[in-house]
Amino acid sequence: DAGITQSPRHKVTETGTPVTLRCHQTENHRYMYWYRQDPGHGLRLIHYSYGVKDTDKGEVSDGYSVSRSKTEDFLLTLESATSSQTSVYFCAISRATGINEKLFFGSGTQLSVL
Amino acid sequence: GQQLNQSPQSMFIQEGEDVSMNCTSSSIFNTWLWYKQDPGEGPVLLIALYKAGELTSNGRLTAQFGITRKDSFLNISASIPSDVGIYFCAGINTNAGKSTFGDGTTLTVKP
Repeated sequence: DAGITQSPRHKVTETGTPVTLRCHQTENHRYMYWYRQDPGHGLRLIHYSYGVKDTDKGEVSDGYSVSRSKTEDFLLTLESATSSQTSVYFCAISRATGINEKLFFGSGTQLSVL
Repeated sequence: GQQLNQSPQSMFIQEGEDVSMNCTSSSIFNTWLWYKQDPGEGPVLLIALYKAGELTSNGRLTAQFGITRKDSFLNISASIPSDVGIYFCAGINTNAGKSTFGDGTTLTVKP
């Protein structure tokens, strides 16, 4: 158990509504990440954070924003959800000192946009 | 961007058989990682490799960092039903500062 809690675990929403997913860690790690997982695409990085208020884009960041006001919380927001954002979202932390190394993942959030 | 080709996409094997899967890339990576994902859960790190040619074991799992630094291999010996899941490789280029994941190999083990 890497001390990562994602909420909610499941979410159904309508196109055009805003959605916020929360990732909470208990281990005070610097690096936190949001990935999405889709069949045939593996895991793709949306955004990541390397400290409080320090975030950067990943490979599929369009339509998503993030915020990190505290070390332990990393929020992912879909400003106006679209059906293409139906996916499983994973938060991860890195226990190594290097970026992106040795990722430990939460249990995921299944998001359905109708 | 960098891409990883992971193969095979899926495998159906009998309990007790050995399993081999691999990842290849056109780019060089400094680190290779292998993860396993159980249904309904996030991926879990199995093995990390840091040097070309490195061979590392974790129980019945053995992974190798290819000498060209463009590929990696994972072997599972004497498979058991709990080996079922999706196995992902990930390559890290420390200069780019990000990791790239393969699309996964789905393993089914028949008792």
